[in-house]
Amino acid sequence: SQTIHQWPATLVQPVGSPLSLECTVEGTSNPNLYWYRQAAGRGLQLLFYSVGIGQISSEVPQNLSASRPQDRQFILSSKKLLLSDSGFYLCAWSRSGGPWAGELFFGEGSRLTVL
Amino acid sequence: GQQVMQIPQYQHVQEGEDFTTYCNSSTTLSNIQWYKQRPGGHPVFLIQLVKSGEVKKQKRLTFQFGEAKKNSSLHITATQTTDVGTYFCAGPGDNYGQNFVFGPGTRLSVLP
Repeated sequence: SQTIHQWPATLVQPVGSPLSLECTVEGTSNPNLYWYRQAAGRGLQLLFYSVGIGQISSEVPQNLSASRPQDRQFILSSKKLLLSDSGFYLCAWSRSGGPWAGELFFGEGSRLTVL
Repeated sequence: GQQVMQIPQYQHVQEGEDFTTYCNSSTTLSNIQWYKQRPGGHPVFLIQLVKSGEVKKQKRLTFQFGEAKKNSSLHITATQTTDVGTYFCAGPGDNYGQNFVFGPGTRLSVLP
């Protein structure tokens, strides 16, 4: 069966510090991978998605970046965090083909607080 | 780009009352999905609708896809405290269908 792991679960970072969130998927190959952000009490904002190794599509211009160094690994990074980067970050995967191939499977999420 | 709206933003009901959330798209959708997110948790897939006018049921939950495939609804009959959470609809984000665009969600509170 397929599983998705996301870490760290919680982190508190000072403004201006770097960020690295990691996500890995097991039990499937060539998945589509996604990073969403959810502000407190708000909806899901798509940040990045990837349909293959090294292929990253950015949905929202900001100080965040994403990388996919391996087929089932997706990393969200920032060189300098802003207060507005606080939120709940969710990694997700779907089968190749996006919404036409089935649903999104979400990780447990990473709750980031920038002070 | 694709936009998906949902109403209401919040809904407070007494346990046993019915609940409905509506989802509207600015463009025709090839399919629509519904997710539930419990407080403090991550979204979990509920269902996918593909056909125009499609109606699907899961126990007390009824999902509908509009004839024009631009709107959808989720109806819960006789709510229970376990129904508490935020319900999101989601559709393909672009013509290539590689990403998902979520509505803002409807947060349901159920008073015992």
